[in-house]
Amino acid sequence: GQQLNQSPQSMFIQEGEDVSMNCTSSSIFNTWLWYKQDPGEGPVLLIALYKAGELTSNGRLTAQFGITRKDSFLNISASIPSDVGIYFCAGNYYYNQGGKLIFGQGTELSVKP
Amino acid sequence: EAQVTQNPRYLITVTGKKLTVTCSQNMNHEYMSWYRQDPGLGLRQIYYSMNVEVTDKGDVPEGYKVSRKEKRNFPLILESPSPNQTSLYFCASSLSGRDQPQHFGDGTRLSIL
Repeated sequence: GQQLNQSPQSMFIQEGEDVSMNCTSSSIFNTWLWYKQDPGEGPVLLIALYKAGELTSNGRLTAQFGITRKDSFLNISASIPSDVGIYFCAGNYYYNQGGKLIFGQGTELSVKP
Repeated sequence: EAQVTQNPRYLITVTGKKLTVTCSQNMNHEYMSWYRQDPGLGLRQIYYSMNVEVTDKGDVPEGYKVSRKEKRNFPLILESPSPNQTSLYFCASSLSGRDQPQHFGDGTRLSIL
């Protein structure tokens, strides 16, 4: 079945640095989503990408839907301590008259003040 | 406030004792889904529902049941819980299963002894 490979698994960075993480798959997806999960909470949607090649920003976050529809990246610029958390990519593909969401394994981000 | 509500948030129980985790959404969403989150594995889909009375298996359905008698509620039932079902569970909903981002509850941490 579909699988997503998300990297890196964890990152330890200094406040102010830029961050980049990505997801790749051997399968094609119709939509790419990026979520952030804080401790003790559910994933919260950061960015949704709907078209191949689409580049979308949300404040300091920028994400792109790969042109092959098999990958996506998320960049965070000028990181701050509240960026700490686990970031998940998710790919949505059409399935059985609906859709199915597959998640990457997550990237755990630690930011040192 | 638009939200997905899960109850209970935490539960410690014993093997074989039937339990139900409730999920309710107030956004009139058609699509609802259950996931379990385990370290290093990301989120894996257990069951999903395209609409009232329409449910289907996800990637890890063994040992679980669901029902969708009303649009807003989607309970997860463990008829005979076992220790390998100890996990963090999330309910999610979206307007439809296709191309619509899913919104997550805050999670239910289950420990089966």
